Amino acid sequence: EVQLLESGGDLVQPGGSLRLSCAASGFNFNIYAMTWVRQVPGKGLEWVSGINYGGGSTYYTDSVKGRFTISRDNSNHTVFLQMNSLRVDDTAVYYCAKHRTTTVVTPFDSWGQGTLVTVSS
Amino acid sequence: QSALTQPASVSGSPGQSITISCTGTHSDVGSYDLVSWYQQHPGKAPKVIILGVNKRPSEISNRFSGSKSGNTASLTISGLRPEDEADYYCCSYAGSSFFWVFGGGTKLTVL
Repeated sequence: EVQLLESGGDLVQPGGSLRLSCAASGFNFNIYAMTWVRQVPGKGLEWVSGINYGGGSTYYTDSVKGRFTISRDNSNHTVFLQMNSLRVDDTAVYYCAKHRTTTVVTPFDSWGQGTLVTVSS
Repeated sequence: QSALTQPASVSGSPGQSITISCTGTHSDVGSYDLVSWYQQHPGKAPKVIILGVNKRPSEISNRFSGSKSGNTASLTISGLRPEDEADYYCCSYAGSSFFWVFGGGTKLTVL
């Protein structure tokens, strides 16, 4: 059974940094692309960032480019999201999700339970 | 404003069928057979119910079906059950500039 467990969410001040982690199990992590999707409480879903199976290709939505960095550790089956220069509008639940194949150009078919990031002074 | 347009809410009685539309553009829904649908119950993570326009994961009931015509994708749920009451989101690949775009979500109420 695919399991994705996010951690690292917290309350942080505007301008601060956080590093989210997503620990994967139950599948061959090394051959799947991974993605982060966020959801403002009570609102819709927004794709944030994706990374291919090897980590050599990364992708971001415009609003986080230059501030967020996605990476992965295939030996420890974990994907990360380093978030810098956080803004109030980054407040959301952040979900980790698995793509169907090695590339981000395939749908995401499994999701974690999410971790809450609150940016507030 | 969401990239894909869904109705804010739909409703139906148990046993009935409903359809949720998802309208995009020629740059996303119209160009790729990469439309997915996700079901989200309150306080829970989204769960995939349709992939690749009309493919259902093995664990998903055949009461759920998907289709696409032009720039509009649709999710149909037949034989409505109380447990189908949830939020439903469509999602489409939108090319290498925007990658993945979502609809604003549709709240399904089973009366």
